[in-house]
Amino acid sequence: AQTVTQSQPEMSVQEAETVTLSCTYDTSESDYYLFWYKQPPSRQMILVIRQEAYKQQNATENRFSVNFQKAAKSFSLKISDSQLGDAAMYFCAYRNLNAGNMLTFGGGTRLMVKP
Amino acid sequence: DAGVTQSPTHLIKTRGQHVTLRCSPISGHKSVSWYQQVLGQGPQFIFQYYEKEERGRGNFPDRFSARQFPNYSSELNVNALLLGDSALYLCASSLGPVVNYGYTFGSGTRLTVV
Repeated sequence: AQTVTQSQPEMSVQEAETVTLSCTYDTSESDYYLFWYKQPPSRQMILVIRQEAYKQQNATENRFSVNFQKAAKSFSLKISDSQLGDAAMYFCAYRNLNAGNMLTFGGGTRLMVKP
Repeated sequence: DAGVTQSPTHLIKTRGQHVTLRCSPISGHKSVSWYQQVLGQGPQFIFQYYEKEERGRGNFPDRFSARQFPNYSSELNVNALLLGDSALYLCASSLGPVVNYGYTFGSGTRLTVV
């Protein structure tokens, strides 16, 4: 079974600084998708960024970028120019193309942003 | 355009009771998935429905069931509630059965079993 591990229960960053959240996953598959979701206190999970495993280029969405290391099974999220609104729980998720449409989530990292 | 709507937002039930949670997907989305998020953990997949048919089931007991209606809304039913069923139940919709582009989630129903 696939597993997703987020080893940092909590992270803290100063406003305007950069922070990196870690995620590792375990799979024997070669084709899959990876996602980062943000969950603010409103509880709604919001898609931040996605990465297809077959793409070598790291995905970027404005201030958010990933460092995808397929051989190491690592998928970290970098947030640049952190803003107070970035404070939330962040979840890494994995989808195996050959095992239905379920997402497997990690345990989450709570990001705090200091003014 | 309305997002994914879930009702109720909060619910308190007693052990052994039954509960029904409801979800309306984004207009035009035909697939609904349900996830359980226990406090302090990531969401866990329960079901996916597409065009009223079950397309996936997670590792949950038979006390959990769901269905999808012709208008693509969905209900999640849980029988014989246990204290461990206390969680945030998230509904997510997607255009089709394949979730390559991620879901759109609702804000969830917070279920407390006492």
